[in-house]
Amino acid sequence: SQQGEEDPQALSIQEGENATMNCSYKTSINNLQWYRQNSGRGLVHLILIRSNEREKHSGRLRVTLDTSKKSSSLLITASRAADTASYFCATDLSGSARQLTFGSGTQLTVLP
Amino acid sequence: DTGVSQDPRHKITKRGQNVTFRCDPISEHNRLYWYRQTLGQGPEFLTYFQNEAQLEKSRLLSDRFSAERPKGSFSTLEIQRTEQGDSAMYLCASSSPGSAQHFGDGTRLSIL
Repeated sequence: SQQGEEDPQALSIQEGENATMNCSYKTSINNLQWYRQNSGRGLVHLILIRSNEREKHSGRLRVTLDTSKKSSSLLITASRAADTASYFCATDLSGSARQLTFGSGTQLTVLP
Repeated sequence: DTGVSQDPRHKITKRGQNVTFRCDPISEHNRLYWYRQTLGQGPEFLTYFQNEAQLEKSRLLSDRFSAERPKGSFSTLEIQRTEQGDSAMYLCASSSPGSAQHFGDGTRLSIL
């Protein structure tokens, strides 16, 4: 079963706009990670945020985590056509990173 | 770092046949993971190896599925007596302790 649920399921924006995706999860976590998947390819790790962190930045990416609401958001600023992909949140329940539980993903389309 | 390699990229077989997939992880990674991904969903964890030891198995891994990592390097995933429901993308990932999981591009299995 899937732990996380991303919202929205699909998002279409113009190049240069910001894209925000949300993830909700059900149980307590050690950390939450975001991955990107281009069509027909494997997943690429984007960013990890630990349960004791509230916000993290990496380049054009900004991730927030609210453990009281069991939710996270991924913001991509100044989007590019190359950002078109599916984005997944994944939770590490144990902290051992032995097993990640993924959400169902948000399909982002950035129109040129 | 040549990345995680999976072979074959695509496999088409008839129901009831056995199939075997191979994963070559990043050479210095001692952790190896198998996931299954169906269309429109996030990956679901199947099993985890640390070196040659299979330490975790999901309930999704029925007795028709077997995974090995005989020398702690490459891994194989075999599905016996394939069923229609086995059609999916099978993803392999590897990591070092404390590092993010690096994914291969997967093997897409189609059952006729």
